Amino acid sequence: QSALTQPPSASGSPGQSVTISCTGTSSDVGGYTYVSWYQQHPGKAPKLMIYEVNKRPSGVPDRFSGSKSGNTASLTVSGLQAEDEADYYCTSYAGSNNYVFGSGTKVTVL
Amino acid sequence: QVQLQESGPGLVEPSGTLSLTCAVSGGSISNSMWWSWVRQPPGKGLEWIGEIYHSGSTNYNSSLKSRVTISVDKSKNQFSLKLNSVTAADTAVYYCARDNGRNFDNWGQGTLVTVSS
Repeated sequence: QSALTQPPSASGSPGQSVTISCTGTSSDVGGYTYVSWYQQHPGKAPKLMIYEVNKRPSGVPDRFSGSKSGNTASLTVSGLQAEDEADYYCTSYAGSNNYVFGSGTKVTVL
Repeated sequence: QVQLQESGPGLVEPSGTLSLTCAVSGGSISNSMWWSWVRQPPGKGLEWIGEIYHSGSTNYNSSLKSRVTISVDKSKNQFSLKLNSVTAADTAVYYCARDNGRNFDNWGQGTLVTVSS
């Protein structure tokens, strides 16, 4: 199973918005509503930021939002803050009790 | 608040078996959740390894299935990973995580396992 495709990097100035794409196939992203997004700071464990395409766990700021169109899911971070600088990974349920992760995107706050 | 903690040898010889345990605290492993292992090679992305339910049912990544065994010990509230015939490509930080309905909402801190002689 191939990793979902994410851009290697994205950036924005404080207060701006950045959107990260996550492209898969009809067998994963396009076939299920089980797309989630994780934030990972250096040396730390991933943290769930978005689940089921666009739902936020308790405690995650509403600056983080998710969406999906066809085989591509997206994470938008609005009102960028310095602490948002991190790696972001998408993942999707891929059927037959399997999961596939994205290749990861490094977000830089300029 | 459920907490997960990985433990196990940090160094494994090539062709040997990698063995890790994930202790679950603050909640029962027998709750209606699946429990997963995820790994991350240095400087690279995340890879799902597999998962187990408290009943012992398992699902594995097809690319690793022939080498992986995940087991559960309900009496100790923990689950374990065994990966055999390891090579340098298996060097990674290994995380255990809780699958709360097809998303990983709780993670251990991770443990680095290096495959080297």
